[in-house]
Amino acid sequence: GENVEQHPSTLSVQEGDSAVIKCTYSDSASNYFPWYKQELGKRPQLIIDIRSNVGEKKDQRIAVTLNKTAKHFSLHITETQPEDSAVYFCAASKGSNYQLIWGAGTKLIIKP
Amino acid sequence: NAGVTQTPKFQVLKTGQSMTLQCAQDMNHNSMYWYRQDPGMGLRLIYYSASEGTTDKGEVPNGYNVSRLNKREFSLRLESAAPSQTSVYFCASITGTAEGYTFGSGTRLTVV
Repeated sequence: GENVEQHPSTLSVQEGDSAVIKCTYSDSASNYFPWYKQELGKRPQLIIDIRSNVGEKKDQRIAVTLNKTAKHFSLHITETQPEDSAVYFCAASKGSNYQLIWGAGTKLIIKP
Repeated sequence: NAGVTQTPKFQVLKTGQSMTLQCAQDMNHNSMYWYRQDPGMGLRLIYYSASEGTTDKGEVPNGYNVSRLNKREFSLRLESAAPSQTSVYFCASITGTAEGYTFGSGTRLTVV
C-alpha cells in the first residue's frame, strides 16, 4: 500500500527565514497531495494542496511543489512568522473516497 | 456554527470498559472518517464511511466498531477499552477536495 515519509521531524528556523518540509510517497497512482497545519491542542487544518497535473502552487507565503518522477513533494514557507509555529502534515491520496495516507508530521519552530 | 462536532472532548476509561464517541457534521458531506493521533505517528485511519450506509476499515480497525447512523452522524465504539487505545481521536468529513477535510475538535481518551 501507499507509504508517505516526511522529513525533517523537527525544523527550527529564524523568524523571517524560509522553511522547507519534504515528503516522499510510494504509490505512483497517488494524485492528490494536501498539507495540513496543526497548532498545539487544535485540530488539523488544510493550508494548501496540489494535484498531480500541476507542478507548483502558491498561496501568499506558502507554496507546494510536486515532482511526480521522483515521487516527492515539498512545502515552502517564506518570511516565516511566529504564528507559523505548528506541526505540519503532508498526505497523499489516489482514491475517489479521498482516503489520505499521512506523513508523521514536522514540528516547525520559529525562533525570534 | 457549521462544522464537525465531536463529543466528549475528554474521557478516562478503565481497561475493559466500553464507550461510544459521537460525531456529527452539518455540511451535508458524504464521506466521514475516524482517525487516531499518537505522538510522533501522525494520523492513522481507523474506519471511514464513503457514503451513508457504507463503512470500511482503515489502517488500524482492531478493537473498534463504527456506525453511520445517517448522513450527519458517524460514531466510533470501543467495546473493551485497552491502554493501547489511549490517544486523541479525530472525526473528519469531506465532500470534495476543494475544501479538504473538516476536522472535529478531537477527543482525548485515556485508558487506565
